[in-house]
Amino acid sequence: EPEVTQTPSHQVTQMGQEVILRCVPISNHLYFYWYRQILGQKVEFLVSFYNNEISEKSEIFDDQFSVERPDGSNFTLKIRSTKLEDSAMYFCASSRGLAGVNEQYFGPGTRLTVT
Amino acid sequence: GEDVEQSLFLSVREGDSSVINCTYTDSSSTYLYWYKQEPGAGLQLLTYIFSNMDMKQDQRLTVLLNKKDKHLSLRIADTQTGDSAIYFCAESIGSGNTPLVFGKGTRLSVIA
Repeated sequence: EPEVTQTPSHQVTQMGQEVILRCVPISNHLYFYWYRQILGQKVEFLVSFYNNEISEKSEIFDDQFSVERPDGSNFTLKIRSTKLEDSAMYFCASSRGLAGVNEQYFGPGTRLTVT
Repeated sequence: GEDVEQSLFLSVREGDSSVINCTYTDSSSTYLYWYKQEPGAGLQLLTYIFSNMDMKQDQRLTVLLNKKDKHLSLRIADTQTGDSAIYFCAESIGSGNTPLVFGKGTRLSVIA
């Protein structure tokens, strides 16, 4: 069964450094998403991406964040200058992009620790 | 704004039924979802219900929706130790590829 994969599983970085989180969505899916979950908090939507551009983004997704689909398979989230409060689990998801029910399939997550 | 609330913990004995509850605030929710997260794994879509339905059954899972009270529940029949996980309720507003709004998750512990 196809699944969303994410790398790395755990990333430790120093405050102010740039990080890139990588995701490989399910191959025939058209919509891609990033969510994050700060420890003990809710899973929060960051951004959705369709047809090589941002479809929707939340207030959390400020100028420090960017997304890219550099090739036909990868989908990346870049944080330009990490802050302590960026420490969280980051989940990538993808969906087929059909009308009606929005079945999003999630990857296992990348745990980002900013020190 | 949209908000989804769940109780944080539930403990049941193996073989009993589990009922995980969720409330939401946005009456324009079109679909409501249940996701399961096992340790070290991602969020696995278990089931969903369209907002004009009251109930949906899928093997051991029964979803009940009370739209008037904005209350959603997930019943797991004959709960097994393998059902121990965190269960997330989520809603989407409108049709199509809108973001999901999640609750904090309910940690289900199954005691053998």
